[in-house]
Amino acid sequence: GAGVSQSPSNKVTEKGKDVELRCDPISGHTALYWYRQSLGQGLEFLIYFQGNSAPDKSGLPSDRFSAERTGGSVSTLTIQRTQQEDSAVYLCASSQFSGGQSYEQYFGPGTRLTVT
Amino acid sequence: GDSVTQMEGPVTLSEEAFLTINCTYTATGYPSLFWYVQYPGEGLQLLLKATKADDKGSNKGFEATYRKETTSFHLEKGSVQVSDSAVYFCALSPPGGDKVIFGPGTSLSVIP
Repeated sequence: GAGVSQSPSNKVTEKGKDVELRCDPISGHTALYWYRQSLGQGLEFLIYFQGNSAPDKSGLPSDRFSAERTGGSVSTLTIQRTQQEDSAVYLCASSQFSGGQSYEQYFGPGTRLTVT
Repeated sequence: GDSVTQMEGPVTLSEEAFLTINCTYTATGYPSLFWYVQYPGEGLQLLLKATKADDKGSNKGFEATYRKETTSFHLEKGSVQVSDSAVYFCALSPPGGDKVIFGPGTSLSVIP
């Protein structure tokens, strides 16, 4: 079956512009996660959705970052007024609802964002 | 808070050498523990996992044992291959939670 997909795969934008990154999770996966991976760094947790709600927004680096999920499926991560430090690979992952058990996260290929 | 520490490398080994990548964690209770791998140009994928103390996860010749007494989950492989060159991430998921906390990753290069 289809895995997690993300679009675009690459995005180059000018400083100050807004960008939208899209994630299509695996069908039936109720949990969806966004991470950021900067060059040479590990994975930085951004936000987690269970269904359409986001119980944990603690990782969003600033109020320029927001995310939504509709229909329990597609999610969009929006970065407003982009800055050069926003340049990174943005990864999306999905998993089955845990209900107290940790299920495997399946990762998408990522969106490489470059802010010039 | 919960955290994961792992040797950051880079690690360079000759083919058929023995591999150990150390991972220790800080967490309350009994988290689930994971090793993820990211091959060059590819996305992250689960390599192995263990969900309770003394469990051993294994896959593709890699093994890791959940050691509660030392809060460790070291990754080992007896004989590495060039195709094992990748970045390896140790991770944990707290009990009852869905968040996964990743270590910084360890880059492994295996040379013929």
